[in-house]
Amino acid sequence: EDQVTQSPEALRLQEGESSSLNCSYTVSGLRGLFWYRQDPGKGPEFLFTLYSAGEEKEKERLKATLTKKESFLHITAPKPEDSATYLCAVRSSGGYNKLIFGAGTRLAVHP
Amino acid sequence: GAGVSQSPSNKVTEKGKDVELRCDPISGHTALYWYRQRLGQGLEFLIYFQGNSAPDKSGLPSDRFSAERTGGSVSTLTIQRTQQEDSAVYLCASSRGGPQETQYFGPGTRLLVL
Repeated sequence: EDQVTQSPEALRLQEGESSSLNCSYTVSGLRGLFWYRQDPGKGPEFLFTLYSAGEEKEKERLKATLTKKESFLHITAPKPEDSATYLCAVRSSGGYNKLIFGAGTRLAVHP
Repeated sequence: GAGVSQSPSNKVTEKGKDVELRCDPISGHTALYWYRQRLGQGLEFLIYFQGNSAPDKSGLPSDRFSAERTGGSVSTLTIQRTQQEDSAVYLCASSRGGPQETQYFGPGTRLLVL
């Protein structure tokens, strides 16, 4: 069964304190790993798609990396506006029409 | 351009009543998806539309849930005889082509069943 586990559940950082969020996955043939950002009361906002181990993508203070078992979302020198829930999702060859989501990591960045 | 829109943004109903949730996808997007997000949990897939047909309904939790899409655009998710466990945020997403394309989400409808 395809499964996605995110850790930690919640993370509190001081502004400028870099850290990483983890997404571990078990799938029957990875056909894409996705990172989304979700602000309270809003829908998920697309950040990145990764397809193969070793791939990396960057956007402002965020960098996503992928291995055969997990993905990391690295946040460099975060600002309070980076506070949100970060969601990881996978698409597999066994369930190609849908995304399987983890429960998310709630990030709070304090000034 | 305009993103995915959903209505209503909030819905409070009594147990046993029927509700209809609406989704307007991004213009030109042929694929449409419904997901459910319970408090503190990840999004759960409900149904996928390609055009007006639904080749994947595997996530619908019971026969009280149904969805349709007309004109290859607007979709309606209907929940009959609502139960308290149906309380959740219902999210709609659309993509340009099929599932291989990036899914873009709407703001969701927050459903509370009393």
